[in-house]
Amino acid sequence: AQSVAQPEDQVNVAEGNPLTVKCTYSVSGNPYLFWYVQYPNRGLQFLLKYITGDNLVKGSYGFEAEFNKSQTSFHLKKPSALVSDSALYFCAVREDSSYKLIFGSGTRLLVRP
Amino acid sequence: EADIYQTPRYLVIGTGKKITLECSQTMGHDKMYWYQQDPGMELHLIHYSYGVNSTEKGDLSSESTVSRIRTEHFPLTLESARPSHTSQYLCASSEQGRGYTFGSGTRLTVV
Repeated sequence: AQSVAQPEDQVNVAEGNPLTVKCTYSVSGNPYLFWYVQYPNRGLQFLLKYITGDNLVKGSYGFEAEFNKSQTSFHLKKPSALVSDSALYFCAVREDSSYKLIFGSGTRLLVRP
Repeated sequence: EADIYQTPRYLVIGTGKKITLECSQTMGHDKMYWYQQDPGMELHLIHYSYGVNSTEKGDLSSESTVSRIRTEHFPLTLESARPSHTSQYLCASSEQGRGYTFGSGTRLTVV
């Protein structure tokens, strides 16, 4: 069965510093990996995805994620955090044979001025 | 802007009432999903559909039901609302090879 783990409930970072939000996954087939962001009282917005190809994926708002097959990880990164990046971040995975996305438990990112 | 719409955005309703949460998408996606989001953030898949007249229960047991009579429409119904149904409900759709597009959600409070 597929699963996703986000080990940190909250990540705190100062504005201008780099940020990392961690995600590890488990699937039996080839993984399709996604990151979504949720602002208060809103639905989830797509940030980026990895399906195949380069391990470093670039997405919206300056975010990127690195796929590491040996460590089964897909950490979200940004070189310089903004206060407006403060939100909930969800990692998600699905197997290539399935359409269902399984979400991690979410990580709250707090960027302080 | 996402082409998937959920109504109402907020709903406060009394125990025992029947309610239907609406979800419509204009993208022609075959696949649609309902997620329930805890106050503590976690998302749980409660229903999904791979096409018209196809509905399946998700990973989290739910007392709600869904229907898919038209491609663009995927309503969720609670026959008798209870306080334990208080949550945020998120609808999403997808097409092959792509991620999901989410609606803005319905925040339901049952009093």
